[in-house]
Amino acid sequence: KAGVTQTPRYLIKTRGQQVTLSCSPISGHRSVSWYQQTPGQGLQFLFEYFSETQRNKGNFPGRFSGRQFSNSRSEMNVSTLELGDSALYLCASSLGARGGGELFFGEGSRLTVL
Amino acid sequence: DQQVKQNSPSLSVQEGRISILNCDYTNSMFDYFLWYKKYPAEGPTFLISISSIKDKNEDGRFTVFLNKSAKHLSLHIVPSQPGDSAVYFCAASGYGGSQGNLIFGKGTKLSVKP
Repeated sequence: KAGVTQTPRYLIKTRGQQVTLSCSPISGHRSVSWYQQTPGQGLQFLFEYFSETQRNKGNFPGRFSGRQFSNSRSEMNVSTLELGDSALYLCASSLGARGGGELFFGEGSRLTVL
Repeated sequence: DQQVKQNSPSLSVQEGRISILNCDYTNSMFDYFLWYKKYPAEGPTFLISISSIKDKNEDGRFTVFLNKSAKHLSLHIVPSQPGDSAVYFCAASGYGGSQGNLIFGKGTKLSVKP
């Protein structure tokens, strides 16, 4: 079956702009999570959506937001971009069970802020 | 405060030998642990997991050991192959959290030399 698809794969923005990233989960998966990967910090959890509701949120400022649609597709938005927002943004999908379980990651969207 | 720590940023091993990657955690409420492998320009892929009710889980060349009293887990790869060269992330979940909310370490870059 098709994996997790993220678009766009690469993008360049300037400070102060905003960006929207898109994620299509594996068919049947109801949970979509977003992670930020930077060289110094590893993978940091941004938020998780399940059945169109934000279920968990990481420690990021309010400039980072997201939503999930009825077909489980998800978008994340970053407003008023800062240089430090340059990172690989990874989307992951899962069945959304409580407790442990495997996440399936997309290839990521590489954001560069100039 | 980092809840999942991978103290070795890199590890170099000869082909055919054992690779041992280590991970420490601080939150005793974590009850599920996973290892992910990541190649450049790709998303992380699931490797192996272990529940806190076990102390060992094996899958082919990969074995994960969990020492709850020491809050320590390790991934053993035997024998190591050049294709295993990648960044390995340790992750944890639990304490009522959901499948989509994983706490990752910063990763260990493994290089397997022919």
